[in-house]
Amino acid sequence: GQQVMQIPQYQHVQEGEDFTTYCNSSTTLSNIQWYKQRPGGHPVFLIQLVKSGEVKKQKRLTFQFGEAKKNSSLHITATQTTDVGTYFCAISGGYQKVTFGTGTKLQVIP
Amino acid sequence: DVKVTQSSRYLVKRTGEKVFLECVQDMDHENMFWYRQDPGLGLRLIYFSYDVKMKEKGDIPEGYSVSREKKERFSLILESASTNQTSMYLCASSFPSAGDPNYGYTFGSGTRLTVV
Repeated sequence: GQQVMQIPQYQHVQEGEDFTTYCNSSTTLSNIQWYKQRPGGHPVFLIQLVKSGEVKKQKRLTFQFGEAKKNSSLHITATQTTDVGTYFCAISGGYQKVTFGTGTKLQVIP
Repeated sequence: DVKVTQSSRYLVKRTGEKVFLECVQDMDHENMFWYRQDPGLGLRLIYFSYDVKMKEKGDIPEGYSVSREKKERFSLILESASTNQTSMYLCASSFPSAGDPNYGYTFGSGTRLTVV
């Protein structure tokens, strides 16, 4: 089945610095989703991107879908301690079955 | 507030026991899923269901079975629990249309199962 590579695996940033996580696929994707999982919590859906070159913003979070629909990124501007957690990208296949990337664990140092 | 509710937050079972993990959603979602989450391995799909009484194997179905007798309830069954099934189990549900920009999974809070 389809797979997606997510990098980096871990990222430590000073509060106020920016953060970016990337997802890459070898095949063209129909859509990509992003989730956030706080420590001790469960994944929470953030957004889905479906169009080539799409860019969406949620406050300090910017999501991009590549022109070729093979990669995506999540960028956080001026991180805060509330941004701590693991960010997953996910791709959907048949029956809306979703395959998750391995996640990027973000630690924000106050 | 829409919810996916998992019956237990923590569970300890003995090797060889039959274990039932229950999941209920109140969003009238057609699709329901069971994942397990392990450090370094991420979220792996065990089974999913896109309709009542329908089930499909995910990536790691061995040692598990599922039951969906009602739309709102999806049960995961460990036929004979083993120590390598110690994990966090997450249930999720969704509407069918992956093309909808607002489409996404809603997860339950998870059940941390320890098999001793």
